[in-house]
Amino acid sequence: ESVLTQSPGTLSLSPGETATLSCRARQSVDNNYLAWYQQKPGQAPRLLIYAASSRATGIPDRFSGSASGTDFTLTISRLEPEDFAVYYCQQFGGSPPWTFGQGTKVEI
Amino acid sequence: EVLLVESGGDLVQSGRSLRLSCAASGFTFGDYAMHWVRQAPGKGLEWVSGISWNSGTIIYADSVKGRFTISRDDAENSLHLQMNSLRAEDTALYYCARRMKNSLGFDVWGQGTMVTVSS
Repeated sequence: ESVLTQSPGTLSLSPGETATLSCRARQSVDNNYLAWYQQKPGQAPRLLIYAASSRATGIPDRFSGSASGTDFTLTISRLEPEDFAVYYCQQFGGSPPWTFGQGTKVEI
Repeated sequence: EVLLVESGGDLVQSGRSLRLSCAASGFTFGDYAMHWVRQAPGKGLEWVSGISWNSGTIIYADSVKGRFTISRDDAENSLHLQMNSLRAEDTALYYCARRMKNSLGFDVWGQGTMVTVSS
């Protein structure tokens, strides 16, 4: 069983819509230390959200994160064409440490 | 400009060794914990190893423990990953990443170096 389970595997949406991505942890995440990354084809991942709900430097406010117990959510409002990518969550601490979820692809 | 540049990736036979390097610039390297993350072709991200700012804490994923060794050279602003007893399942693009100073997240990534292990 995965430590972090992301759903859905693929999300098909149109520009302007809202994307809601889920990341469920198998056990509690210390201090909500969970991050979200965006990865586009051929590029390195980019940090979007850290500590479950804090936006990283330069990230637009249409990206937001939230937490409820072991359930974490990344919300992308007003999807822009450049938002279509794969999104990963990552936990810090616990056992095994520093693991990533399997990813959610947001496609048009 | 804050930059991480990986090097050392190659095509190697199973059982052989390889040493990856990551050159850092544009920031005070010695102030930051650093990590390696890999991505097999067409697959997701897998955290590999991390080292604290003072090398006092070093951690590994179970999949590489006992085979890989992470190290850093603050005088040279560089991070290294010594990979021994390589297996086909180690084939991946290897990224180095900087951990945020005051929280937990990887805020700077290199572009990766490709390691291919033939069986």
